[in-house]
Amino acid sequence: NAGVTQTPKFQVLKTGQSMTLQCAQDMNHEYMSWYRQDPGMGLRLIHYSVGAGITDQGEVPNGYNVSRSTTEDFPLRLLSAAPSQTSVYFCASSRGQETQYFGPGTRLLVL
Amino acid sequence: GQQVMQIPQYQHVQEGEDFTTYCNSSTTLSNIQWYKQRPGGHPVFLIQLVKSGEVKKQKRLTFQFGEAKKNSSLHITATQTTDVGTYFCADSSGSARQLTFGSGTQLTVLP
Repeated sequence: NAGVTQTPKFQVLKTGQSMTLQCAQDMNHEYMSWYRQDPGMGLRLIHYSVGAGITDQGEVPNGYNVSRSTTEDFPLRLLSAAPSQTSVYFCASSRGQETQYFGPGTRLLVL
Repeated sequence: GQQVMQIPQYQHVQEGEDFTTYCNSSTTLSNIQWYKQRPGGHPVFLIQLVKSGEVKKQKRLTFQFGEAKKNSSLHITATQTTDVGTYFCADSSGSARQLTFGSGTQLTVLP
């Protein structure tokens, strides 16, 4: 099993550009989440999904969209990138309330 | 929403010294999870505590859940350089079981 995979590993964007961060898991987990990590602020939940076709907002959803068309994939879309979205983004999956498995992260710089 | 406060934010110890990080909440937690993130890496699950007063050990690591389920601690005995990283607690009391992370304690171990 590959676990949770994320692409790309690094990305530089200009303000106003859009992009999609990819996340996939091969563990047949129901729950998938997106977090952003900023220095001194821990991990903050952006969006999450409890199953295919079901998504909901987390603590910091503004500027991001998600969809969950399959169990395996949970892409995160930045519609119009802003410097405030410079961060490290982690995708995670879990089976219910159990261990969350994190992907390796995407480091995003918005100029 | 649910907030979990974690202290200290930073801790420098000499190799062989002990280390403790604390998580506190103003409300009762359903359970608490602990994660470790190595520098440049992603969070990795360590343990989950569910019961009031629960104590679990993993080699040199001791995890405790308070009697009132409002606080938790992670204690490392005789730190080693391999313990370097940031330790996060996380609470899953939120709706749909999404995790709320503490801000983390960054541990540096000086050889």
